[in-house]
Order: sequence, then structure tokens, then C-alpha cells
Amino acid sequence: AQSVTQLDSHVSVSEGTPVLLRCNYSSSYSPSLFWYVQHPNKGLQLLLKYTSAATLVKGINGFEAEFKKSETSFHLTKPSAHMSDAAEYFCGGGYNKLIFGAGTRLAVHP
Amino acid sequence: DTGVSQNPRHKITKRGQNVTFRCDPISEHNRLYWYRQTLGQGPEFLTYFQNEAQLEKSRLLSDRFSAERPKGSFSTLEIQRTEQGDSAMYLCASSLAETRTGGGYTQYFGPGTRLTVL
Repeated sequence: AQSVTQLDSHVSVSEGTPVLLRCNYSSSYSPSLFWYVQHPNKGLQLLLKYTSAATLVKGINGFEAEFKKSETSFHLTKPSAHMSDAAEYFCGGGYNKLIFGAGTRLAVHP
Repeated sequence: DTGVSQNPRHKITKRGQNVTFRCDPISEHNRLYWYRQTLGQGPEFLTYFQNEAQLEKSRLLSDRFSAERPKGSFSTLEIQRTEQGDSAMYLCASSLAETRTGGGYTQYFGPGTRLTVL
């Protein structure tokens, strides 16, 4: 069975500082992992997806994530936060049905 | 816009009433998925179709829920005898099927239908 845990329900950063959103997974097989972002009253938008081609995955809007099998982690990072990054972020995995974490709400302060 | 569309965007109903939601996927996508998202939680899988065939249903999909995709294009999700616990955002997504592994390619989500049951 596959499960996903997002370690922080809320993260607050200042504009221009780095962002780190943490995600651990458990899977009995090689996972397909992803990060989606959801702005208020909007659907989910794919940020990036890991499919075993490379452990460091670059996504949209300057985000990237590193797959670390030894740590069963897939943390999302961005070097410099922007006000428009404030949103809910979901880590997840799966091939057919997707399994999502509970989400991390990112707040960005001026 | 050629993304996934959902209608209505908002639905308010009284307990016991039936409601139906519609999802129009990206036109070339043969897979269509339904998820439910309650406040403060990630989306939970409900069911998915490949073309018109319903391939998997979650245990979350009680007997009051039914989904169809009659011509392999748009899909409807009906909830009969709504309960207050059905209040949630219902999300639809679509993708292509990956023939090599049997899995799915990236799922693209619609804006969702927010259901409020009074």
C-alpha cells in the first residue's frame, strides 16, 4: 500500500527567503510522486512529477524536488519565495488513483 | 480554454435532495477521475473511467453515489439523498492512459464543484 505524509500543515516564510515543504512517502514499489498547488477556490495545478528519470525534478515557477529513496522523502524547495506562492501544496503518489497528503498551507509575508 | 471543466461550480442543496455534477475532460484524454476534498484535507479518490468503462471505485463511494461516462467523453457524478457529510469539493481530473505500464499519465484537474448540504 502507498501512503504520503506531509510533515507540516502550515509553513510561513518571508518574501525572498527559501521555501521547504516536506513530504515522506511509503510504498512497496517504485513510486510515481508529484507535487500539486491549489490556490483558493481553484483546482489543483501540477508543479512537478517524479517518474524515476532523475532524482532532482524541476518544476514550474522555480520549484524543484529531490527524490531520496534512502530517506523516503520528496521535499519541495524554492530558493526565493514570492508573494504569489502563497497557496496550499499537496504531495502525493500513485499510478492510477492518486494518494494525496493532507496538504501544507504556505504563507508568504512581505 | 481546453482544460477540464466542471459544472456547476457551486451547489447548495437541502438534505435528502439529489444532485448531479458534470465533468468535461480534456478532449483527447481517455481517462477521467473523480475525487472528493473536504476542508483541510487532500483530495480522496472516488472512482475512475477509461473510456466508458468504470475501472475502479473507492469504498468512499457509497450506494448513494453513482458515476457514469456513457460515451467515453463527459462524465456525471450523482449523489442521491444527500447528507450533510457529503458537503465537500468534488474534483474531476483527466489523463491519457499509459499503455506500457497500465498506469496513467499526468492528471489535469478541473476547478471543482463545491457542494453544500444544508
